[in-house]
Amino acid sequence: QVQLQESGPGLVKPSQTLSLTCTVSGGSISSGSYYWSWIRQPAGKGLEWIGRIYTSGSTNYNPSLKSRVTISVDTSKNQFSLKLSSVTAADTAVYYCARGQWLKGNAFDIWGQGTMVTVSS
Amino acid sequence: EIVLTQSPGTLSLSPGERATLSCRASQSVSSSYLAWYQQKPGQAPRLLIYGASSRATGIPDRFSGSGSGTDFTLTISRLEPEDFAVYYCQQYGSSPPKLTFGPGTKVDIK
Repeated sequence: QVQLQESGPGLVKPSQTLSLTCTVSGGSISSGSYYWSWIRQPAGKGLEWIGRIYTSGSTNYNPSLKSRVTISVDTSKNQFSLKLSSVTAADTAVYYCARGQWLKGNAFDIWGQGTMVTVSS
Repeated sequence: EIVLTQSPGTLSLSPGERATLSCRASQSVSSSYLAWYQQKPGQAPRLLIYGASSRATGIPDRFSGSGSGTDFTLTISRLEPEDFAVYYCQQYGSSPPKLTFGPGTKVDIK
């Protein structure tokens, strides 16, 4: 079965760029009617969609983060990545990667376990 | 921009009781694009319902979803101990493409 695993630094300094990678295992990132998303959750708070990418390279971003976000995909490595620039303490959160399925109404049917990222000097 | 509101914020119930969770949208949402998730502490969310009423793979039939337009409901017919968690609704809007989550409803043990 398909599994997702986030990786990247757990600590990022203010004003720097947060970089995370999600590795897809148990299946090809290019197969099926899927897209690949990043979602974050500050401690004790709700979920915020960051953006998504299709394996064609087409992207959509949350307008509130669009100026700072880049999502990319590397199909040869079965990975997709997130870059969030000019981070502040408000970007401290658990970051999840997830598979979206447009045949299921754009619901997220598979999630990574999440990775905690703290923005602090 | 569509905003989702969930009520109540917290629902205190006993095992075996029925739970009714509400998700209200600020504008009409296509039923095809309304989903529900369960999240337990320290875990990633788990998809329960998509398309407003279709159960995801492996989800017990005590979970059901209903609704249309701006009002959607997640019902847990008889609460099991493992059902005490936070539940989120989520919608997809296409112009521009954006996915949004509600603030969540916590179901805790009375």
